[in-house]
Amino acid sequence: EVVMTQSPTPLAASPGERAALSCRASQSVGRSLAWYQQKPGQAPRVLIYDASIRATGIPARFSGSGSGTEFTLTISSLQSEDFALYFCQQYSKWPLTFGEGTKVEI
Amino acid sequence: DGQMLESGGGLVQPGGSLRLSCSVSGFTFTAYLMTWVRQVPGKGLEWVSTIRGIDDGTYYADSVKGRFTISRDRSRRTLYLQMNSLRAEDSAVYYCVRKSGHFDLWGQGTLVAVSS
Repeated sequence: EVVMTQSPTPLAASPGERAALSCRASQSVGRSLAWYQQKPGQAPRVLIYDASIRATGIPARFSGSGSGTEFTLTISSLQSEDFALYFCQQYSKWPLTFGEGTKVEI
Repeated sequence: DGQMLESGGGLVQPGGSLRLSCSVSGFTFTAYLMTWVRQVPGKGLEWVSTIRGIDDGTYYADSVKGRFTISRDRSRRTLYLQMNSLRAEDSAVYYCVRKSGHFDLWGQGTLVAVSS
């Protein structure tokens, strides 16, 4: 099983700041990595897939990078609506696995 | 883009059974791998099971293998998850999810509580 490890958790930041969330895979997943955002009481929604492709409707302040075992989600300038929980997920190998999440909080 | 609506959650005793349903609209149901993902409220996400569109091949997490069965009814455009021998640790919100590589479309979830 590919273990996904996210850091930091939590991440304390202020509006306007840049935030970098890390996700590490226990073995290579190529670029088969997605990032999801979840707000309280809501289902997750995809932000980034294939490591760096923004999903439809996702603002340009969200960007993804990395390949293999090291990945980063960057939020260039935090907006109030970005304070939420973020998960990474690999879909290279079965079983599909998620990281434990990074909570971005004020 | 599509919608999915889960139903069937509720309170069940340990050892009991429950069948979740996910009604799909707005996209070609059989063109995608359909998946169940669960989440203990306030905790992380766990992939549970996936069914392939092309041949109904299935995949299961070890934690549910032999107890849960995923299936689909093409004519009703509905995905199912039959859950037997339920345990307290199966308590979670269960999401119906469309998989196109990543998970690109999520339902709103249905809550399953296993307790005596």
